[in-house]
Amino acid sequence: NAGVTQTPKFQVLKTGQSMTLQCAQDMNHEYMSWYRQDPGMGLRLIHYSVGAGITDQGEVPNGYNVSRSTTEDFPLRLLSAAPSQTSVYFCASSETGGSYNEQFFGPGTRLTVL
Amino acid sequence: AQSVTQLGSHVSVSEGALVLLRCNYSSSVPPYLFWYVQYPNQGLQLLLKYTSAATLVKGINGFEAEFKKSETSFHLTKPSAHMSDAAEYFCAVSPQYGNKLVFGAGTILRVKS
Repeated sequence: NAGVTQTPKFQVLKTGQSMTLQCAQDMNHEYMSWYRQDPGMGLRLIHYSVGAGITDQGEVPNGYNVSRSTTEDFPLRLLSAAPSQTSVYFCASSETGGSYNEQFFGPGTRLTVL
Repeated sequence: AQSVTQLGSHVSVSEGALVLLRCNYSSSVPPYLFWYVQYPNQGLQLLLKYTSAATLVKGINGFEAEFKKSETSFHLTKPSAHMSDAAEYFCAVSPQYGNKLVFGAGTILRVKS
């Protein structure tokens, strides 16, 4: 199993550009989520999904869109990038949405917005 | 709303010394609690978790944590630090009902030779 994979590893955008961060998992997990990591702030939940076709907002959803058309994939879209979205983005998955489940994390995407 | 406080953004210990990383949570009911570790330029991986079965939880790499309801704490310990333990450690809390994991700000552990 590859686990949770993310592409790209690094990305530089200009203000106003849009892009999609890709996330895929091969563990047949129902629950997937996106976090951003900023220094001194830990990880903050952006959006999550409890299954194909179902998504919901997390703590910091503004400026981001998600969709879940398949169990395996959960892309994160930046509609119009802003410097405040410079961060490291992590995708995670778990077997179900149960709060006791371990979440498995991808290697991250480091995004810089100029 | 649930929250997590990790005391000390940086902790430095000598190789072979005790590691103690502090975590306090706020929750109206006992939650599920986790410790994750992040090595440089990698994603997070689970060290251990508390799900109300036993208050003393043993994890990977010799780490353990004790859930203390009266103190709302879940501190992480390891009797003898290794150089390979140098990493950032995150405490996280999840409600018993719901599926939103809330992370602390993280503690960077430095191990001196």
